[in-house]
Amino acid sequence: NAGVTQTPKFRVLKTGQSMTLLCAQDMNHEYMYWYRQDPGMGLRLIHYSVGEGTTAKGEVPDGYNVSRLKKQNFLLGLESAAPSQTSVYFCASSSPPLDWDSYEQYFGPGTRLTVT
Amino acid sequence: SQQGEEDPQALSIQEGENATMNCSYKTSINNLQWYRQNSGRGLVHLILIRSNEREKHSGRLRVTLDTSKKSSSLLITASRAADTASYFCATGAIKAAGNKLTFGGGTRVLVKP
Repeated sequence: NAGVTQTPKFRVLKTGQSMTLLCAQDMNHEYMYWYRQDPGMGLRLIHYSVGEGTTAKGEVPDGYNVSRLKKQNFLLGLESAAPSQTSVYFCASSSPPLDWDSYEQYFGPGTRLTVT
Repeated sequence: SQQGEEDPQALSIQEGENATMNCSYKTSINNLQWYRQNSGRGLVHLILIRSNEREKHSGRLRVTLDTSKKSSSLLITASRAADTASYFCATGAIKAAGNKLTFGGGTRVLVKP
């Protein structure tokens, strides 16, 4: 049981390049999330999904797109990377609130992205 | 803007001492959670307290919640070097779509052996 995995772990992009970050979870969770974490700050929600085929905007969605074609995968795309998108990106998953334990979010190890 | 503000931003203590950190938030909540992040790693859930609870314990962790003051505290007793990490509070709003959480800025804790 790997939990939440993220690919790649590190990436350096030049301004204007595009890339896709992959998140996969093997816990059969309905909900998935993408966050970014900047130095000395907490996490800010970029986009989230409440089920296969559905996505919604979070707090900081501009410059990012997402897709949830399969329940276990949640992809985050940067169409034209900018230096302001240099950050550490975390994926997380959770279950619908059937009980209080299901409110917990499970996090991946992160992807460190640098845009030059 | 972030819902939670944490205080202090950084804390340095000796092994065996207690560590206390606080979290304040702005809007009504359904639950408040604390997470730990070791350097270079993802966040790990520590404890959840419901909006109708005032105190909760889990091992060496004690969490309090005061909804009238919109604040929470996390106490780690008898700290160990392995407790060195950043600690984040996260709030879940009432009927938040998708169990969304709003995270505070975190408290960096250094436990010196």
